[in-house]
Amino acid sequence: DTAVSQTPKYLVTQMGNDKSIKCEQNLGHDTMYWYKQDSKKFLKIMFSYNNKELIINETVPNRFSPKSPDKAHLNLHINSLELGDSAVYFCASSAPGTWGEAFFGQGTRLTVV
Amino acid sequence: AQTVTQSQPEMSVQEAETVTLSCTYDTSESDYYLFWYKQPPSRQMILVIRQEAYKQQNATENRFSVNFQKAAKSFSLKISDSQLGDAAMYFCAYRSRGRGGSEKLVFGKGTKLTVNP
Repeated sequence: DTAVSQTPKYLVTQMGNDKSIKCEQNLGHDTMYWYKQDSKKFLKIMFSYNNKELIINETVPNRFSPKSPDKAHLNLHINSLELGDSAVYFCASSAPGTWGEAFFGQGTRLTVV
Repeated sequence: AQTVTQSQPEMSVQEAETVTLSCTYDTSESDYYLFWYKQPPSRQMILVIRQEAYKQQNATENRFSVNFQKAAKSFSLKISDSQLGDAAMYFCAYRSRGRGGSEKLVFGKGTKLTVNP
């Protein structure tokens, strides 16, 4: 069973459209994240949620809205997509306890044309 | 704010040889965690090795080991007996000792490792 799964794996869409990426984890973790990997492979945190509560919001445009219906799910909705939104978006969850090791999903490659 | 620097955008190594990837970081915290992640062409982020800052002993995982120099804020990864499957992007990452969702990972820009047969 996949620990952290994202859908879809690939997403191609036109500028101005609205799209969503879904993430689910079956590890029983309390904390989930969205990271963005740009075209130069640089990874940066976007959001974190702990037990459905937004904790980190790292200067992300308002067009990006995360939603956590329960602690096993974290979705990312993007409005009015722009060319610069093209990237790979990773969902992750972290284990409780000292390490807080992050487990990543397989990523969603978003291409805006 | 914490920063992580990987000064080698690309490295190459011959199969069965040893290679060391460099990582330095900047922080004012005294307790934190450091990680090396591997990203093969499949895009999956795979944890390679981790180090807790207050532990002086360097972490080792099979062919992977680190050289953690806390005073110098250096955290290099050594891969011994390199294999073709080690070819990937390697990311060094820093995590504060926060909890409850505040513990984000701060990544370096990555080092692309090529393994030559």
